[in-house]
Amino acid sequence: GAVVSQHPSWVICKSGTSVKIECRSLDFQATTMFWYRQFPKQSLMLMATSNEGSKATYEQGVEKDKFLINHASLTLSTLTVTSAHPEDSSFYICSARLTGRVDGYTFGSGTRLTVV
Amino acid sequence: QKEVEQNSGPLSVPEGAIASLNCTYSDRVSQSFFWYRQYSGKSPELIMSIYSNGDKEDGRFTAQLNKASQYVSLLIRDSQPSDSATYLCAWTWAGNNRKLIWGLGTSLAVNP
Repeated sequence: GAVVSQHPSWVICKSGTSVKIECRSLDFQATTMFWYRQFPKQSLMLMATSNEGSKATYEQGVEKDKFLINHASLTLSTLTVTSAHPEDSSFYICSARLTGRVDGYTFGSGTRLTVV
Repeated sequence: QKEVEQNSGPLSVPEGAIASLNCTYSDRVSQSFFWYRQYSGKSPELIMSIYSNGDKEDGRFTAQLNKASQYVSLLIRDSQPSDSATYLCAWTWAGNNRKLIWGLGTSLAVNP
């Protein structure tokens, strides 16, 4: 149980276009979703925390107008990379916090974004 | 600034040996500690969580937590080539939406 389905698993887009990444909780309600970015051979970098029904909280240095996060329901959170550039190429991972469970984080399978 | 220090490695051990991975963390109020394994191109998967001082064993894995010394370790017994991956430690505390604080990860190579 506690599965987060993340799509797409990989995407290639042209510079200047926007890309939407979806994370759906399949068998639980995801009150809080964390969005990470990971560059090769580096650790996970938290971009933002979203809570259902409220605005996302962005980490310092992350442009909220570039990385749009929507968490309109308890089962769906989306990250849209707007006007993507090659430097946005990275591995994006969502993670849901499982309330009431001490082991409480489950991860999506990740999205490999390549901007050409 | 709440942080985790972790030796990036690479750590290389022969098959069948014990691999020892360590992290130190910066804050005595930290509550929950996690070890994740990440294969290249994949998202992290939970290996072990630990909350109390002492050892916690699960199969070939043992997590050790020492809150007074602010370190947490992971031992992998009878290491297998399939254990070759990056191991990430993380911790969190009550408050701040329970964001995970991540170490940089230790690359482990188990040689046949």
